Amino acid sequence: GAVVSQHPSRVICKSGTSVKIECRSLDFQATTMFWYRQFPKKSLMLMATSNEGSKATYEQGVEKDKFLINHASLTLSTLTVTSAHPEDSSFYICSAIDRATYNEQFFGPGTRLTVL
Amino acid sequence: GESVGLHLPTLSVQEGDNSIINCAYSNSASDYFIWYKQESGKGPQFIIDIRSNMDKRQGQRVTVLLNKTVKHLSLQIAATQPGDSAVYFCAEETSGSRLTFGEGTQLTVNP
Repeated sequence: GAVVSQHPSRVICKSGTSVKIECRSLDFQATTMFWYRQFPKKSLMLMATSNEGSKATYEQGVEKDKFLINHASLTLSTLTVTSAHPEDSSFYICSAIDRATYNEQFFGPGTRLTVL
Repeated sequence: GESVGLHLPTLSVQEGDNSIINCAYSNSASDYFIWYKQESGKGPQFIIDIRSNMDKRQGQRVTVLLNKTVKHLSLQIAATQPGDSAVYFCAEETSGSRLTFGEGTQLTVNP
């Protein structure tokens, strides 16, 4: 089955630093990837849609300069949280759509970010 | 605005009983719905989906019912097992394959 990985699985950083999270589709090509964030005991909130070779589309209220997204290839999208602050601490989850079966969307295992 | 929500935030059942998790949606134009299971510290796992041209779909031990008249979606789990304990989310697909998730229901299965 289709597998999406994320790296790192958890990261702790100091306030003011930047953190990069990778999302990879391991055995399929992903036309589109999505980035979500999830606070404890809350639902997933879509942050942005990432399309290979083009600029990401951000949801209303998500700062594009704060959350930099790069989709450099059909198997890799990265989310960089710039100048992280404690309020950015969250669970970040990506998903990817299999190019071959357009509607199949597969989720990664998530990345736990803690900003001190 | 568009929203997908759940009636109950928690559900506790006895092992072997059937579980029913409900979801209400507001966008009558939505035509694709998915149920996900999320265990603690993990990403969502696909359970079952349904399109708006259907009102029922069955999988292994799970059934999804869709009532478009009242914009209601439910997930039925037969013979609930301890391994079914998790948070369950319904999701509604909007434009561009974007998903809007409901609030989630924490299912606890008691032995």
